[in-house]
Amino acid sequence: IAGITQAPTSQILAAGRRMTLRCTQDMRHNAMYWYRQDLGLGLRLIHYSNTAGTTGKGEVPDGYSVSRANTDDFPLTLASAVPSQTSVYFCASSDRVNEKLFFGSGTQLSVL
Amino acid sequence: DQQVKQNSPSLSVQEGRISILNCDYTNSMFDYFLWYKKYPAEGPTFLISISSIKDKNEDGRFTVFLNKSAKHLSLHIVPSQPGDSAVYFCAATLRIRAAGNKLTFGGGTRVLVKP
Repeated sequence: IAGITQAPTSQILAAGRRMTLRCTQDMRHNAMYWYRQDLGLGLRLIHYSNTAGTTGKGEVPDGYSVSRANTDDFPLTLASAVPSQTSVYFCASSDRVNEKLFFGSGTQLSVL
Repeated sequence: DQQVKQNSPSLSVQEGRISILNCDYTNSMFDYFLWYKKYPAEGPTFLISISSIKDKNEDGRFTVFLNKSAKHLSLHIVPSQPGDSAVYFCAATLRIRAAGNKLTFGGGTRVLVKP
C-alpha cells in the first residue's frame, strides 16, 4: 500500500542519547515534513524539505536535524535527547503544488 | 503566539445531531484552509479544504464555512456518527508562499459522538 512508513512505532530513550527517527515515502512527493504533536498545541513543524537535497527550519527546530539525500527518505535526528522532546512525531509528504499532506502513523518517543 | 486556534478542546454530541467545530486564525494572509481528522495511534488524514475565494465547501456530511472578515472557519458534520469520534485539526497556509506548502495547525478538538 502506497504511503508513508515511520520507524520505530515507539521508543523509550535515556536523556543525552542520540536517536534517529526514520521516514520513507513511496508516493514520489517532492516535499516532506516532520511535525511533533503535543497536547493542546496541535502539530508543530520541526523541519521540512521542499525537494531532495534541500531542507529548512520550521517552528520548533532546536535540538533536531534532518537530511534529504533522496526523494523517498527524510530521517529526523535528535543529537542529544532531552525530556522536553517527549512527544509524538509525525512525518508527512505532499506534492509540491498540492497542500494536502499525507501523514505517517507516528512515532511515540519518551525521553527519560 | 498561535496563529491558528481551536478554542474548544473537546465536544460531545449525540448521534444524528450536528457537530460544529470552530477555528480562528490571526494571519490575514492565509488563503487556504484544511481540516484533518485523527484517530488514536494513527496519523492525521485529510478531510476537507477551502480556498479563501470561497465561503463554503461541502463534501457529503462535511461542510466547511469560511468567514474571512472574522478570520474564522467552522466545520459542520451532519449527521454525526459514532465513527466521527476523533480529534479534528484545522490548518492554514499561504498557497503563494514560495518557501513551500507548510501548514500551520490548531491545537485540535476532540469529538465524541454518543450512540
